[in-house]
Amino acid sequence: GENVEQHPSTLSVQEGDSAVIKCTYSDSASNYFPWYKQELGKGPQLIIDIRSNVGEKKDQRIAVTLNKTAKHFSLHITETQPEDSAVYFCAASLINQAGTALIFGKGTTLSVSS
Amino acid sequence: ETGVTQSPTHLIKTRGQQVTLRCSSQSGHNTVSWYQQALGQGPQFIFQYYREEENGRGNFPPRFSGLQFPNYSSELNVNALELDDSALYLCASSLGVAGAHTGELFFGEGSRLTVL
Repeated sequence: GENVEQHPSTLSVQEGDSAVIKCTYSDSASNYFPWYKQELGKGPQLIIDIRSNVGEKKDQRIAVTLNKTAKHFSLHITETQPEDSAVYFCAASLINQAGTALIFGKGTTLSVSS
Repeated sequence: ETGVTQSPTHLIKTRGQQVTLRCSSQSGHNTVSWYQQALGQGPQFIFQYYREEENGRGNFPPRFSGLQFPNYSSELNVNALELDDSALYLCASSLGVAGAHTGELFFGEGSRLTVL
């Protein structure tokens, strides 16, 4: 089955710096790669996703890149702000007619200090 | 548009008891998935329901069971609770269209279960 590895487990940056979180996956059949942000006491919130037919996607300060050959994908946050502090999870799945079963990484705790 | 709502938000049970958790899906969504999130870990897929039938299951024993109702709301039932069942249980809704699925899952705030 699918296995997702996520690094680093913790990341501390200064406000305004960039943050990069990297994930690798094992199942070459996976075709959907979302990123979630989870704040303390809340459920995960989808922040960006990418599908296997796309190499890069950007939404304001957030971007995700996908390398299908190497089976890894990364989240890039530019101009970090204190409100970006949270736990970030990557996930991988195979979307088919039956739906989507996400396999999550173990998370990265991002701390942005002002 | 109403988001995913879960109840109860917190509950405490003792080992051996049974628990039922409830979820109302986001407006317009017809697929519900359940995930277990242990402290400090990523969510783990339990199962998914589409059109009132289970159509995918993770590595969880049969004492974890569920239902989906005609209005697309859902229940997660756990029998014979064990200490390791203590976790945040997350419900996620999504949209499945005949022969396809959007993939995007939207999570609720979760139900925090403590087993003593």
